[in-house]
Amino acid sequence: EIALTQSPATLSVSPGDTATLSCRASQPVRSHLSWFQQRPGQAPRILIYGASTRATSIPARFSGSGSGTEFTLTISGLQSEDSALYYCQQYDDWPRTFGQGTKVEI
Amino acid sequence: EVQLEESGGGLQQAGGSLRLSCETSGFTFSSYDMNWVRQAPGKGLEWISHISASGSSIEYADSVKGRFTISRDYAKKSLNLQMESLRAEDTAVYYCVRDQGYYDSSGYPRYYMDVWGKGTTVIVSS
Repeated sequence: EIALTQSPATLSVSPGDTATLSCRASQPVRSHLSWFQQRPGQAPRILIYGASTRATSIPARFSGSGSGTEFTLTISGLQSEDSALYYCQQYDDWPRTFGQGTKVEI
Repeated sequence: EVQLEESGGGLQQAGGSLRLSCETSGFTFSSYDMNWVRQAPGKGLEWISHISASGSSIEYADSVKGRFTISRDYAKKSLNLQMESLRAEDTAVYYCVRDQGYYDSSGYPRYYMDVWGKGTTVIVSS
C-alpha cells in the first residue's frame, strides 16, 4: 500500500499570503495524484488531478506540481474561504490512498 | 448538473447489516466508474471500494474486504454498498464518488475521483 505523508499538519497564514502544502509518497506514483479541499461540514471537492491540472472551475491561484514521490499544492493570494482541510490522494495503484490532510487556517 | 445523493445510513448494532444507495443524475451512469469513500468522525478520508463502468472490475480496501459488497443498478442509475458484519470502526460518513477518465502523459487512460455526494452517516454501536 502506498502511504502519503502530508506536511505541515497545520498552516496558519494571513489573507493574501501564499501557502505551500507538501505531499510525499512512499513509492513513486508518477503524476497520478489529486488534491482535494474539504471545508468544515462539507464533502471534499477536487482541486487538482494529474498532479498539476486544475479541475473545472478551480481558480488559477490553486496550482499543483511534482512527480514521482514529491508533490506540492500552492495556493496564492489566500482568501478567507480557503480555510479548509486539504488532502492529497494517489490513484497510481490499488488501494487508492489519501494523505492525512493539512489544515489551512486563515 | 451532475448530482450524487446517498441514502441508507443510520444506527446499527455491531454485527448487523446496512445497505447504502447513491442515486445519480446529470450524467450517463453506465459510462463512469464509481467509488465509495468514508470518513470517520474527526478523521481523514479512506477509499473503500471501486466498481468499473461495466461492473466487471471491483476493488476493495482490506478493511472492508469480505464484509462489504459494491454493486450498481443500471435501470435505477444507482450505486449500492451492502455492508455486513458491521464493526464500531465502520462508523463514518460514507461518500459516493464518481471517477473521471483522462489520458496521462504516456497515453494510458487514468481515472481520478471528481464529483462527490454529500454523504450519509453510518453509526455502529458496540
